[in-house]
Amino acid sequence: DQQVKQNSPSLSVQEGRISILNCDYTNSMFDYFLWYKKYPAEGPTFLISISSIKDKNEDGRFTVFLNKSAKHLSLHIVPSQPGDSAVYFCAARGTQGAQKLVFGQGTRLTINP
Amino acid sequence: EADIYQTPRYLVIGTGKKITLECSQTMGHDKMYWYQQDPGMELHLIHYSYGVNSTEKGDLSSESTVSRIRTEHFPLTLESARPSHTSQYLCASSGGLGFRAFFGQGTRLTVV
Repeated sequence: DQQVKQNSPSLSVQEGRISILNCDYTNSMFDYFLWYKKYPAEGPTFLISISSIKDKNEDGRFTVFLNKSAKHLSLHIVPSQPGDSAVYFCAARGTQGAQKLVFGQGTRLTINP
Repeated sequence: EADIYQTPRYLVIGTGKKITLECSQTMGHDKMYWYQQDPGMELHLIHYSYGVNSTEKGDLSSESTVSRIRTEHFPLTLESARPSHTSQYLCASSGGLGFRAFFGQGTRLTVV
């Protein structure tokens, strides 16, 4: 049973436009949601996060929106740049024990010049 | 950015060999994790640790084992490598009140 889902395996966006990556989750007990960016043969790097008590968090070109009633979050990147081309993973943190992160399958974002 | 290191970065090894993947962090984090990732798939947690002398199996069954004798060190061992173990292995740590997990650069393992 996959608790965090990214239903779009890939997304292609024109440089300068907005990229919107989506993520759905099933466990209402998650307390933090995070987005990681990953290049091939590298480890994921943290991008932005949001607490479950907020609905929006912004950091430069990156904004994450959380809709708790729909159990949905999205990452907006604007304007998109070629260097943003990577795989983006949505992750959710459990509240118990080791507070493990549960990851989605990732979305491969390609920014076209 | 993060002080967490994995060695080797790449490893090609024959079936039946014993291997140890190293992971070290200098942030003093109490929690450490091993994830396994195949191309196009999510990261699957295979082991985690709350602290020294604490290890637990993750959500994905794995034939590997781990140890946590020192806070900064969390090695993963495969006693007898098989082609099905071919994957990328990612080590991570988190600690204190922080919710972020910091990842190492990963080890890409190929068993032939």
